[in-house]
Amino acid sequence: NAGVTQTPKFQVLKTGQSMTLQCAQDMNHEYMSWYRQDPGMGLRLIHYSVGAGITDQGEVPNGYNVSRSTTEDFPLRLLSAAPSQTSVYFCASAQSRSLYNEQFFGPGTRLTVL
Amino acid sequence: RKEVEQDPGPFNVPEGATVAFNCTYSNSASQSFFWYRQDCRKEPKLLMSVYSSGNEDGRFTAQLNRASQYISLLIRDSKLSDSATYLCVVGSGNTGKLIFGQGTTLQVKP
Repeated sequence: NAGVTQTPKFQVLKTGQSMTLQCAQDMNHEYMSWYRQDPGMGLRLIHYSVGAGITDQGEVPNGYNVSRSTTEDFPLRLLSAAPSQTSVYFCASAQSRSLYNEQFFGPGTRLTVL
Repeated sequence: RKEVEQDPGPFNVPEGATVAFNCTYSNSASQSFFWYRQDCRKEPKLLMSVYSSGNEDGRFTAQLNRASQYISLLIRDSKLSDSATYLCVVGSGNTGKLIFGQGTTLQVKP
C-alpha cells in the first residue's frame, strides 16, 4: 500500500493564481482531511470529509474548496492564492470519523505564495 | 488561550537522559488523546494513544490527568533517534476533529 500520497511536493504561486493540491489514499478510509502547518501554530484543520460526497469546514476554511467524488481522492483547491496561504499542507486519512482512530498523513506539500 | 498548549522547547538532553513533556487542554469534554511524532520536514506519525489508566510502550510512558486537564509523555534512556518534535493531540466532539498542539522539540545529543 502506498498509504496517503500528495502532489506536488513543492509549489510556488503568484498572488491571485489558483491551483489544486492532490491527495489520494489506498486504504479504503472513510475519513479524509486537510491541515495546514505554520510555525508556532500547530496543525490547523481546513476541511474534512466523512465519506464520498460529504465535506465540511474545519477551523480555517476561507480561501479553500474541497470535493470528495470518490473514497480515494480528496483534492484541495486554492481559489485565488494569497501570501497568507504560504504554508505546509498535509492531507490525512482515518478509517472512520471516530476520534479514537489513528490519522495517517501524507508527506505534505510546501506552498509559497509570492 | 490555545485549546492545546505545549512548551515548544527546545529540550536539549544528553543520550541516556529521561525527559518529560507536558501538554494542557482547555476542553473538559475532550475524549481522545494522542502523542504524534514529527521528524524535521516530514509528516506527523502516531507515537501512542493516551489512556486514562496510563500506558507504556517500551521507553515511552504516556499519562492522562482528566481532573487537571493535562497529558504527559515520559521518554526514558533517550536515544539520538528520539530527536524530533512531539505533538500533543486532543479529540473532542462527534466529527473526528483533532486539535494539535504546536509541538515540543527534543534534541538528544551524544
